[in-house]
Amino acid sequence: GAVVSQHPSRVICKSGTSVKIECRSLDFQATTMFWYRQFPKQSLMLMATSNEGSKATYEQGVEKDKFLINHASLTLSTLTVTSAHPEDSSFYICSARRDRGFVSTEAFFGQGTRLTVV
Amino acid sequence: AQTVTQSQPEMSVQEAETVTLSCTYDTSESDYYLFWYKQPPSRQMILVIRQEAYKQQNATENRFSVNFQKAAKSFSLKISDSQLGDAAMYFCAYRTLGGDMRFGAGTRLTVKP
Repeated sequence: GAVVSQHPSRVICKSGTSVKIECRSLDFQATTMFWYRQFPKQSLMLMATSNEGSKATYEQGVEKDKFLINHASLTLSTLTVTSAHPEDSSFYICSARRDRGFVSTEAFFGQGTRLTVV
Repeated sequence: AQTVTQSQPEMSVQEAETVTLSCTYDTSESDYYLFWYKQPPSRQMILVIRQEAYKQQNATENRFSVNFQKAAKSFSLKISDSQLGDAAMYFCAYRTLGGDMRFGAGTRLTVKP
């Protein structure tokens, strides 16, 4: 099956610093990737849609200057949490969608990143 | 806007028994995909089953099957012969052909030995 690798799995950073999370599709090309945030015991909330070679599309209420997304290649998207604060502590999950012609398959998920800002 | 509703925050089933998890959704689209994902304590999202809206036949994957009622916008998951390893959070999800995936609030399933 398709594999999506997300790195790091856990990260602790100090307030005010920036953290970069990588999402890689290992055995397929992904024109589109998605970034989700999941609070404890809650569902996945879509933050943004990352498109290769173009600007990401952010959901309402998500600060694009705080959550920088770069999708420079068909296998890599990165999420950078800038000037992190304790309220940014959360579980972040990426998913990659492999498109076959005009038919889209299901999305494949990374393992997630637990971010703790101290 | 599309919304996905899971009305059962928690469910419990005896090992080897059958349990049904409910999901309803709201959409004005005629063609879309529906999914059930399992999230164990590791938090890795695992696809359980998928249904294309244009298919009338309910999807089945071994012990997992769905009851897809398009007119009622209902998409329930039935787990037969429940096993201890089935214990997890289960999320119902919806996606249009070219759109992003939207999740329900989730149902925590407990399997009692």
